[in-house]
Amino acid sequence: NAGVMQNPRHLVRRRGQEARLRCSPMKGHSHVYWYRQLPEEGLKFMVYLQKENIIDESGMPKERFSAEFPKEGPSILRIQQVVRGDSAAYFCASSPILNFGTSLSGELFFGEGSRLTVL
Amino acid sequence: TQLLEQSPQFLSIQEGENLTVYCNSSSVFSSLQWYRQEPGEGPVLLVTVVTGGEVKKLKRLTFQFGDARKDSSLHITAAQPGDTGLYLCAGDNYGQNFVFGPGTRLSVLP
Repeated sequence: NAGVMQNPRHLVRRRGQEARLRCSPMKGHSHVYWYRQLPEEGLKFMVYLQKENIIDESGMPKERFSAEFPKEGPSILRIQQVVRGDSAAYFCASSPILNFGTSLSGELFFGEGSRLTVL
Repeated sequence: TQLLEQSPQFLSIQEGENLTVYCNSSSVFSSLQWYRQEPGEGPVLLVTVVTGGEVKKLKRLTFQFGDARKDSSLHITAAQPGDTGLYLCAGDNYGQNFVFGPGTRLSVLP
């Protein structure tokens, strides 16, 4: 299966603990996006990464949240000192290399999400 | 800030009926995509429209991109219960940023 792999699928944490969510993109994809989804709502952009670079983190809270996409291994979204409001589904998507400035565009391939519950 | 609006927010119809859902923005996008999401799953790409005025058909689904590349519509003919789900549109800025609308939650009753 060459799809986007996310783990864990479900994660329960108590307030103040740390949550680490992992995402392995599709083979050949070097762009990773993280989105957050609250129940009955759409997807909110958090961060866009390429290998070893954060391209756009405008949607990510300045405190407690961080993301990385190392040269080797999966992308990781890290939430420190979780609070109840962090409870949500976190989706990772990957995209192939794009030709910027042309009529071509990217397409997102999503994982099945990681559902974080903060008690 | 680029925003996408979708309407209606909720739609419940009987099997066999036709429906249209809309995606609107004040911003221009390099392309626009439609995704469908089922409960407990990640969104799945249905179609990408790139050229203003473009119409794409996928079996019973017809997608249209507005001439100004700011809006799009999805029309479903003879809806089936299997079409039930959350339909999301997303605007693409050459892959730098994908902005999602809030979605239309469709329920097709047998």
